[in-house]
Amino acid sequence: DAGITQSPRHKVTETGTPVTLRCHQTENHRYMYWYRQDPGHGLRLIHYSYGVKDTDKGEVSDGYSVSRSKTEDFLLTLESATSSQTSVYFCAITPTSGVSYNEQFFGPGTRLTVL
Amino acid sequence: TQLLEQSPQFLSIQEGENLTVYCNSSSVFSSLQWYRQEPGEGPVLLVTVVTGGEVKKLKRLTFQFGDARKDSSLHITAAQPGDTGLYLCAGARGAGSYQLTFGKGTKLSVIP
Repeated sequence: DAGITQSPRHKVTETGTPVTLRCHQTENHRYMYWYRQDPGHGLRLIHYSYGVKDTDKGEVSDGYSVSRSKTEDFLLTLESATSSQTSVYFCAITPTSGVSYNEQFFGPGTRLTVL
Repeated sequence: TQLLEQSPQFLSIQEGENLTVYCNSSSVFSSLQWYRQEPGEGPVLLVTVVTGGEVKKLKRLTFQFGDARKDSSLHITAAQPGDTGLYLCAGARGAGSYQLTFGKGTKLSVIP
């Protein structure tokens, strides 16, 4: 158990509304990631963070922003949700203690539906 | 660009049968991981392979990394219904990169 929680676990929202998803970890891991998972596309990286206030874009970052003001929290914001952002969102961490080969440990996911 | 191709996409077998799933790429990876994901949950790391030709065993699961570190396979012996799930491979491109490239997965159903 990597001590990762995501909130909310499920959300239904309307097109054009802002949405923020939260990822919380309890073990001071430096690297955190946001993915979306869609049928036919697999897991795709949205944004990632390598420390407080240090973030970078992934493969599918358009329409998403992130913030990391504390080590333990990584927030994903959809400024104006669209139906194409209906997906399951996963947060992940890479442990920074011991030997690491970039393994990632995932949270339980947030299912977001944009109507 | 899909850097990691997994095959087959879907596999339905009877309990007790053996199976192999494949993860192929034209790119070299510094390490490769296999994950299993069950419905409604996040992927769970099964194994990491690092050295070309490396073989790792996890009970009835055998993982192999290709000699050139471009491909990998997962073999399950005597599949059980508990093996049902989505199997994902993911590759790391370099020691300094913490990003992973994921394949689209193989969805395995083991019928009792």
